Amino acid sequence: AQSVTQLGSHVSVSEGALVLLRCNYSSSVPPYLFWYVQYPNQGLQLLLKYTTGATLVKGINGFEAEFKKSETSFHLTKPSAHMSDAAEYFCAVNHLLSAGGTSYGKLTFGQGTILTVHP
Amino acid sequence: DAGVTQSPTHLIKTRGQQVTLRCSPKSGHDTVSWYQQALGQGPQFIFQYYEEEERQRGNFPDRFSGHQFPNYSSELNVNALLLGDSALYLCASGGFRGYNSPLHFGNGTRLTVT
Repeated sequence: AQSVTQLGSHVSVSEGALVLLRCNYSSSVPPYLFWYVQYPNQGLQLLLKYTTGATLVKGINGFEAEFKKSETSFHLTKPSAHMSDAAEYFCAVNHLLSAGGTSYGKLTFGQGTILTVHP
Repeated sequence: DAGVTQSPTHLIKTRGQQVTLRCSPKSGHDTVSWYQQALGQGPQFIFQYYEEEERQRGNFPDRFSGHQFPNYSSELNVNALLLGDSALYLCASGGFRGYNSPLHFGNGTRLTVT
């Protein structure tokens, strides 16, 4: 079974400051990892994903995340916060299952981290 | 290119009633998944449909059922509604052939059970 833990349900930063949102995962197989952002009353928008290859992944809006297998972590960072970054962020792991050669997937999400950006 | 569309956007039901939520996947996608997001929580996987069959199911009771149509659109049905079913229901689509491609989410249906 997989699980995702997001450390800190609320993170507050000043505009222009570094954003660091923490995510640790548990998976018995190589994981595919994702960060999604959710604005109020909206669905989830993909920020970035890690599947295979380079462990430093760049996403949209200046966000990036680094996959560290030894630490089972996939922390999300942004060098300089902007007011428009205020939202809730979710880390998720995708576990692929195989049945008769066909693959399906489902996402296991963390509890979310609400990011507040102060002027 | 239309993304994932869900209807209705909001719904109010009474305990014991039944509800049907609808989802049209992103163009080119043939797999639909449904998630329940309670207030203050991360989304929880309900089930996934591919080729009009339920392929995977999360830890949800049989009161939650679904259907996928030949045009890949999907419905989520919930019977005998409980207060605890109040949540944002999210539909997501992802292509089978790009199984490691990320899911695309709709804006959800907000269900309130009174």
